[in-house]
Amino acid sequence: GEQVEQRPPHLSVREGDSAVITCTYTDPNSYYFFWYKQEPGASLQLLMKVFSSTEINEGQGFTVLLNKKDKRLSLNLTAAHPGDSAAYFCAVSASSSFSKLVFGQGTSLSVVP
Amino acid sequence: GALVYQYPRRTICKSGTSMRMECQAVGFQATSVAWYRQSPQKTFELIALSTVNSAIKYEQNFTQEKFPISHPNLSFSSMTVLNAYLEDRGLYLCGAREGSDYTFGSGTRLLVI
Repeated sequence: GEQVEQRPPHLSVREGDSAVITCTYTDPNSYYFFWYKQEPGASLQLLMKVFSSTEINEGQGFTVLLNKKDKRLSLNLTAAHPGDSAAYFCAVSASSSFSKLVFGQGTSLSVVP
Repeated sequence: GALVYQYPRRTICKSGTSMRMECQAVGFQATSVAWYRQSPQKTFELIALSTVNSAIKYEQNFTQEKFPISHPNLSFSSMTVLNAYLEDRGLYLCGAREGSDYTFGSGTRLLVI
């Protein structure tokens, strides 16, 4: 079945610097890709959903890149600020409604002033 | 908008006892419901995926005997943790799927004493 590897498990950056989190997946049928943010003690907040046909997606203060050839998904937070400190999870699923959403191991991001 | 409510938000149970948690989709009809567990400092492990008109599919390491799930209609699901022990503590998340979109509840945090 699908396996998702997320790196790094922990990341500390200074305020204003960029932070990059990467996930690799194994199932070539993967079609939907998600990035979630989890603040301490809270549930999941969807940051972005990416379809397999779109390679670059820009959100508020971040960019998501999808490389289907390498089966790699990345989240790049540009100019990180302390409010970005949280756990981040990628998740991947195939297109069928019967397919499951598989999460990466998570990255704990700390943005220091 | 699509919302998922989970009840209770937090619960404490004695070791060896059972507790039931509920998941309600509001504003949409969920074609499938996934239950996840996030153990302390870990990622989200899929317990089971329940799809309309299909049998509930449990992941390896999770069984119906331990985590019975009821999914009577397109907007409601419940799961029971039977004979809860310390290793069952964590955040239990319900994700309701409509099309390609997953909407997650706030989770039920289980503490076992």
